[in-house]
Amino acid sequence: DIQMTQSPSSLSASVGDRVTITCQASQDISNYLNWYQQKPGKAPKLLIYDASNLETGVPSRFSGSGSGTDFTFTISSLQPEDIATYYCQQYDNPALTFGGGTKVEIK
Amino acid sequence: EVQLVESGGGLVQPGGSLKLSCAASGFTFSGSAMHWVRQASGKGLEWVGRIRSKANSYATAYAASVKGRFTISRDDSKNTAYLQMNSLKTEDTAVYYCSSGGMDYWGQGTLVTVSS
Repeated sequence: DIQMTQSPSSLSASVGDRVTITCQASQDISNYLNWYQQKPGKAPKLLIYDASNLETGVPSRFSGSGSGTDFTFTISSLQPEDIATYYCQQYDNPALTFGGGTKVEIK
Repeated sequence: EVQLVESGGGLVQPGGSLKLSCAASGFTFSGSAMHWVRQASGKGLEWVGRIRSKANSYATAYAASVKGRFTISRDDSKNTAYLQMNSLKTEDTAVYYCSSGGMDYWGQGTLVTVSS
């Protein structure tokens, strides 16, 4: 199976800060990568698909980039409602796999 | 409005079986793959498996951790996907979510607890 290494596992930032999360695949997955936001007690919410495409209705402060094995997720200006855990997930291989998650907190 | 509603969770003893259902509405269920994803308390997301549409021969795929124990099926006439879980282990305890093909829609989850 393809392993997804996500970092950092947690971060603390101030409102308005730029936040960056990285995800590395153990092999080339082209751009077959999703990013999700999950708030406590809730189902995950798809934010970014195909590595860089913003899901309909998702604020433009969220963005994604990368291809191959290295990917980046960015929140351009952190807002209080962005407090959540974020996950990357590859869908190149029939066996999908998620990264370990990044918990984002407000400083 | 797209809705996915899971049901069938509960408490089961190790070695037992349980069948989860995922009732879908608001989209063309028959044309969509369906996934199951689980999350143990305080842990990350783990993909369990998926079933493709009739056009893709109802092909299934599973995570190594459940292969041979879990089976995904679907009834397009009822707009429902199923997860049959056999030989359950304590480590299968989790909230189980179903999700549509592009993983753009998710249910609210159903809790499965495997304990004696």
